[in-house]
Amino acid sequence: AQKVTQAQTEISVVEKEDVTLDCVYETRDTTYYLFWYKQPPSGELVFLIRRNSFDEQNEISGRYSWNFQKSTSSFNFTITASQVVDSAVYFCALSEEGAAGNKLTFGGGTRVLVKP
Amino acid sequence: SAVISQKPSRDICQRGTSLTIQCQVDSQVTMMFWYRQQPGQSLTLIATANQGSEATYESGFVIDKFPISRPNLTFSTLTVSNMSPEDSSIYLCSVDPLDSQETQYFGPGTRLLVL
Repeated sequence: AQKVTQAQTEISVVEKEDVTLDCVYETRDTTYYLFWYKQPPSGELVFLIRRNSFDEQNEISGRYSWNFQKSTSSFNFTITASQVVDSAVYFCALSEEGAAGNKLTFGGGTRVLVKP
Repeated sequence: SAVISQKPSRDICQRGTSLTIQCQVDSQVTMMFWYRQQPGQSLTLIATANQGSEATYESGFVIDKFPISRPNLTFSTLTVSNMSPEDSSIYLCSVDPLDSQETQYFGPGTRLLVL
């Protein structure tokens, strides 16, 4: 069975600080996908990134960056120079290809609070 | 990307009643998924809805409690039956578009409060 662990339940930072969110996953499959979603206070889930298991290149998108390390089964997310608008709950998720479609297993989420 | 709408956006219901949540997508999709997010918790998959076949339920969820319909490739409904306060959650629909390069997108969710 697949599992996603986000050990940090809540992180509080002051604006302009960097914040790194940890995500560790477990899966028996060799082909899988990892995701990060943002859930602001309004409640909708905003897709941030999708990475497949064969692509270990790190990725940067603006102030966001992701570090995928297969050796440690981790897919960490860093927000650089955080802003108040980054305050949200962030979810890491894992999907395995299967007959039932690419259903997602979510981690418990990390609440990020950015103070002005 | 797929644009997903859900109705209702929120509702307050009495225990013992049922509520049907609708999910509409602006393009044809193979898979539709229903998730539940209990207050302060993460998302848990309820079931996968395929067009033309019975939904596939995850452990802990049963068809009698959460019947699902999938009449076509752009629409699905989830019914929460015989509700209790424990059913108070956000219910989210998500889709896995036909293009395998796409990711899963989520609807805005339905906030349900059961009194």
